[in-house]
Amino acid sequence: GQQVMQIPQYQHVQEGEDFTTYCNSSTTLSNIQWYKQRPGGHPVFLIQLVKSGEVKKQKRLTFQFGEAKKNSSLHITATQTTDVGTYFCAGGDNQGGKLIFGQGTELSVKP
Amino acid sequence: DAGVIQSPRHEVTEMGQEVTLRCKPISGHDYLFWYRQTMMRGLELLIYFNNNVPIDDSGMPEDRFSAKMPNASFSTLKIQPSEPRDSAVYFCASTFGVNYGYTFGSGTRLTVV
Repeated sequence: GQQVMQIPQYQHVQEGEDFTTYCNSSTTLSNIQWYKQRPGGHPVFLIQLVKSGEVKKQKRLTFQFGEAKKNSSLHITATQTTDVGTYFCAGGDNQGGKLIFGQGTELSVKP
Repeated sequence: DAGVIQSPRHEVTEMGQEVTLRCKPISGHDYLFWYRQTMMRGLELLIYFNNNVPIDDSGMPEDRFSAKMPNASFSTLKIQPSEPRDSAVYFCASTFGVNYGYTFGSGTRLTVV
């Protein structure tokens, strides 16, 4: 079945350093969404990418969708302690409304 | 809107007991999803509904699990009988449609002893 792989599993950075997480799918995706889950919390929707090669920015966060619509990345510039949490990508299949979530990247930021 | 509401927030039960988790989606959302989260397996889709109709239940682990959505404002996930390996956080999420983000509830942390 469809799989969405995400790397790295963990990332520890010093405050102010950049952070990137990568997402790869075994099949072409209809769209990709990104979520953030704070420790002890629930996933919160950040953004959706739909078009091939699409790039979107939210303040210090930059999201990209690959040309083949099989991969995506989230880059955070100059991390802050408030960025701590697990970042999930979730790929939409082309057959219905469901999303397949990656395993997530847990980000810790050392002040 | 109060968001997606799940109850209970925590549930501790003994092996063999029946457990019922509840979810109230956001009004107007046509899709409702049940996910299970564990350290080992991450976020797993169990089942989802569109307009109260189950569309895909291929993620339901086994016959011990069942889910219903009797109306647009309520869904239940039932485990009978429960087993220790069912211990996890169960999330309900809802959305307008395939091109919209999901809104997750706060989850139910289930512990089966």
